[in-house]
Amino acid sequence: AQSVTQLGSHVSVSEGALVLLRCNYSSSVPPYLFWYVQYPNQGLQLLLKYTTGATLVKGINGFEAEFKKSETSFHLTKPSAHMSDAAEYFCAVSDRGSARQLTFGSGTQLTVLP
Amino acid sequence: EAGVAQSPRYKIIEKRQSVAFWCNPISGHATLYWYQQILGQGPKLLIQFQNNGVVDDSQLPKDRFSAERLKGVDSTLKIQPAKLEDSAVYLCASSTQAGGRGTQYFGPGTRLTVL
Repeated sequence: AQSVTQLGSHVSVSEGALVLLRCNYSSSVPPYLFWYVQYPNQGLQLLLKYTTGATLVKGINGFEAEFKKSETSFHLTKPSAHMSDAAEYFCAVSDRGSARQLTFGSGTQLTVLP
Repeated sequence: EAGVAQSPRYKIIEKRQSVAFWCNPISGHATLYWYQQILGQGPKLLIQFQNNGVVDDSQLPKDRFSAERLKGVDSTLKIQPAKLEDSAVYLCASSTQAGGRGTQYFGPGTRLTVL
């Protein structure tokens, strides 16, 4: 079964600093890859996804992620953090070619310091 | 476009009581999902519907949880009887396609506290 590992349950950055949230998956066959963001008392919102094609994926709010097959990784980055980026971020994977569901990581809480 | 609607937003019950949650997906979305999100964890799929049929309920505790999606639109998730470990946020999501590449749109969730 697929598994997703998010390194660091809590990450703190200063406003204006680089944001790097790490995600690794377990499958030997590259799955579909997703990043979701969850603000307090709200549902999850899709930031970006990788299904095929270009390995650098751009999403909303200035975030991007790069699929690296050799490292089985899909890390999320943003060049300059904003206070409004403070939220919980979830990496998720889904097997290709089936109706399989999303498997989520345990999440990373991002704090942005003034 | 209206998003996924869920009600109630919050619910507090005693253990062994029953509770029901309602979800109205985005119009035209054939696939509907129920997730359980325990504090400090990622969401875990409980059940997936395609129209009004069940695609995957392998992680649904069927001795106490049940779900239905009548007429392929709204859905209800029920817990009877509730246990302390059922305290969690229950998220509903919908998508246009059942395949793994489809984007799932999430509702705001129902926060359940079992005392």
